Amino acid sequence: GAVVSQHPSRVICKSGTSVKIECRSLDFQATTMFWYRQFPKQSLMLMATSNEGSKATYEQGVEKDKFLINHASLTLSTLTVTSAHPEDSSFYICSAETGYQETQYFGPGTRLLVL
Amino acid sequence: AQSVTQPDIHITVSEGASLELRCNYSYGATPYLFWYVQSPGQGLQLLLKYFSGDTLVQGIKGFEAEFKRSQSSFNLRKPSVHWSDAAEYFCAVGANDYKLSFGAGTTVTVRA
Repeated sequence: GAVVSQHPSRVICKSGTSVKIECRSLDFQATTMFWYRQFPKQSLMLMATSNEGSKATYEQGVEKDKFLINHASLTLSTLTVTSAHPEDSSFYICSAETGYQETQYFGPGTRLLVL
Repeated sequence: AQSVTQPDIHITVSEGASLELRCNYSYGATPYLFWYVQSPGQGLQLLLKYFSGDTLVQGIKGFEAEFKRSQSSFNLRKPSVHWSDAAEYFCAVGANDYKLSFGAGTTVTVRA
């Protein structure tokens, strides 16, 4: 149980285009999902907390107009990187919180490369 | 705010040998503590967690961790390492706001 999927697993796009990443909890409902960014050989950096039916809460320094988050249902959250630039290239990981003991389950990640 | 320190950036261990990864946390109250493992290019898999009760926690893949309040530590151990245990290991602490703070991670290399 507690499986989280992400799609796509890998995406290459041109600079200036927008990319949407989906995060789904497959076998449980998640009122809260999280979006992280991970640079090579580094730890996870929390970007934003996504709550179903409400606006996402962004961490300090994260541009909310650049990283649009939508949590339309209890099993789906999306992250859209708008007008992507090469510096946005990174590994993006989502997680979903089960509501029990504050445990988060992570998706497999999405590798974004902006050319 | 809570924080986590993983003092060891990289550990190399022989297959079959024991492994211990250190984790120290800073938090004013009793924390929720987690160990996650990440294989290259993959997401994080939960190994085990401490919420309350017994301070020795058993996890998946033969891992265990011990919560020591007096030392603010939550070290991860495995008696006998397998080559498949080569990965990045993250310790994390949660407060009551559902956010996790991660350590910098420890890379484990297993030599034959």
